[in-house]
Amino acid sequence: NAGVTQTPKFQVLKTGQSMTLQCAQDMNHNSMYWYRQDPGMGLRLIYYSASEGTTDKGEVPNGYNVSRLNKREFSLRLESAAPSQTSVYFCASSDIGDRSNEQFFGPGTRLTVL
Amino acid sequence: DAKTTQPTSMDCAEGRAANLPCNHSTISGNEYVYWYRQIHSQGPQYIIHGLKNNETNEMASLIITEDRKSSTLILPHATLRDTAVYYCIVRVPWNYGQNFVFGPGTRLSVLP
Repeated sequence: NAGVTQTPKFQVLKTGQSMTLQCAQDMNHNSMYWYRQDPGMGLRLIYYSASEGTTDKGEVPNGYNVSRLNKREFSLRLESAAPSQTSVYFCASSDIGDRSNEQFFGPGTRLTVL
Repeated sequence: DAKTTQPTSMDCAEGRAANLPCNHSTISGNEYVYWYRQIHSQGPQYIIHGLKNNETNEMASLIITEDRKSSTLILPHATLRDTAVYYCIVRVPWNYGQNFVFGPGTRLSVLP
């Protein structure tokens, strides 16, 4: 099992450009999440998808959109990138049927917006 | 989710036990304590979790006080590879889609 995979690993954008961050998991998990991490800070939740077909806002959703394409895939889109969105983005998944509901994280995407 | 407080940083000698404290004085009865860690530039990694009993797995032990207002993560024989930021989180695990709230954590440095 690959676990949680993210593409791309690195990306540089100019202000106003758009892009989509891809995330996939092969653990048959119901729930998936997108976080951002800024230097010296913990992780902040952007959006989550409790199950296929549903998405909800987290703590910092402004400037982002998400799509739960199927049970495996959950993408994050920046429609008009801003320098404030320079960050490391992590995708995670969990199985709500598992009592621990531990989250499994991907390796991250490092995004720089100039 | 209940808030947690952790020391900003700690040092530990290689081979010794690392004891990382966490205060969660407002924890509610159905909230669990989780520990994750993040090694530089990698995604967070699950370590252990518990409700009120002490827990042990291959990575660590979790000691929760009887009043559940604080806990300690113990890495019994710290190695250089345990250098990471450690996050203590409290939450109800079965809330549908409830997110984890990651704070700044404790930066553990294991010294040779």
